[in-house]
Formats: sequence, C-alpha cells, structure tokens
Amino acid sequence: GAGVSQTPSNKVTEKGKYVELRCDPISGHTALYWYRQSLGQGPEFLIYFQGTGAADDSGLPNDRFFAVRPEGSVSTLKIQRTERGDSAVYLCASRGGGSSYNEQFFGPGTRLTVL
Amino acid sequence: DQQVKQNSPSLSVQEGRISILNCDYTNSMFDYFLWYKKYPAEGPTFLISISSIKDKNEDGRFTVFLNKSAKHLSLHIVPSQPGDSAVYFCAAKHRNDYKLSFGAGTTVTVRA
Repeated sequence: GAGVSQTPSNKVTEKGKYVELRCDPISGHTALYWYRQSLGQGPEFLIYFQGTGAADDSGLPNDRFFAVRPEGSVSTLKIQRTERGDSAVYLCASRGGGSSYNEQFFGPGTRLTVL
Repeated sequence: DQQVKQNSPSLSVQEGRISILNCDYTNSMFDYFLWYKKYPAEGPTFLISISSIKDKNEDGRFTVFLNKSAKHLSLHIVPSQPGDSAVYFCAAKHRNDYKLSFGAGTTVTVRA
C-alpha cells in the first residue's frame, strides 16, 4: 500500500524491558513524526525528523526515549527500561510537499502495553 | 498546557442532520488548522484543513469555519451519514514549526 505502515500493531512487554517500534513513511516523504496517544486524549508530539536528522525532539518525555532515521526513510522509536506509564498508542506520521505541505498522514499506530 | 481544546467529548446526531463540532485554541501563533477522523484501531485520517488567512473552507459535505478573533473553529458535516460515526480531532500547526497540537477529540455517533 501507499500509506504509512507501523509494526508491530501490538506490543506487550514487561516493566523494565526494551522495545523498538518501527515506522515506514509514505515513499518520498522527507518529514516524519512520532506522536503518543493515551486513552481519552489526542495525539501528543514526541519527535520530528526532516530527512535523517531530528529537527525537533522537544516532545520526548525523558532520556529513556530515543528515535532514529538513519537513511531518511524508515524510523525506529526506542524505549528503554519501559514503565507502566509508557502504555499508549504510538503513532507515526509523514508529510510531503506540494499542495499537502501542511498535512500529516498517519499510520495505524502501535499499541504498547507495559505490564 | 492544552493549547487546543475540544470541550464536547461526544455528539449524537440523527442521520441526514447537521453535525457541528467545535474547537478552541489559545495560541495566536497557530497558522494552520486541520481536522482528522479516527475509527477504532486505525490511525487518524486527514479530513479537511484551513489556513489562518481564510475563514471558510468547504469540501463536499464538510465545511470548516475559522474565527480568528475568537480563536475558534468549527467543522460542519451536512448531511450526516452513519459512516461519519468516529472520533474527530482538531489539530493546529504553529507558524514556526510543523508539529501538530491536538485536541482531546469528539466522538460523533450518527443515529439511523
């Protein structure tokens, strides 16, 4: 498909474990975003990549969270020493150019549950 | 602090009638506003947007109105259809960056 894809769709882990969440943006989109959505709330910004570099990581809650995009396409969000409060849906979005320059297109999300 | 607020968590409307969803914001530096629709277990889907230099944008059954002086926008869906039942998020972009600030969402239920 031509949309944003995220894997896995669901991830259950134990407190203290390490997890990686993957995002495949729309082909050709240079901008990539990670958001986190907790129950009953809207998505909250975590980090924004323009190409390979993190242009804005001001939304990362603490240093247990890290994200990379080494080749300017696929991105991985990494969470160390997971805590129960990290449980949420992690959404990835990408943005292209042209007439849709301001519009972000979201993937289906990864539901993370920390037991 | 919540810069984008959707004060109605839910809305129930009869099929064929108008749905009106409201959104308020506090940051005068927002220059672009978007509405997203979300079904369960799916990611948000872009619906319609409006630039801060406009006061209305229409796309088929969907119209977004922007009142900058009141820092208020609304989404009108006419006529409402059962497939419109979903959670609707209002989002705003700051003029100096590209991240989006979202409201908490309004769950719309269209009754047959």
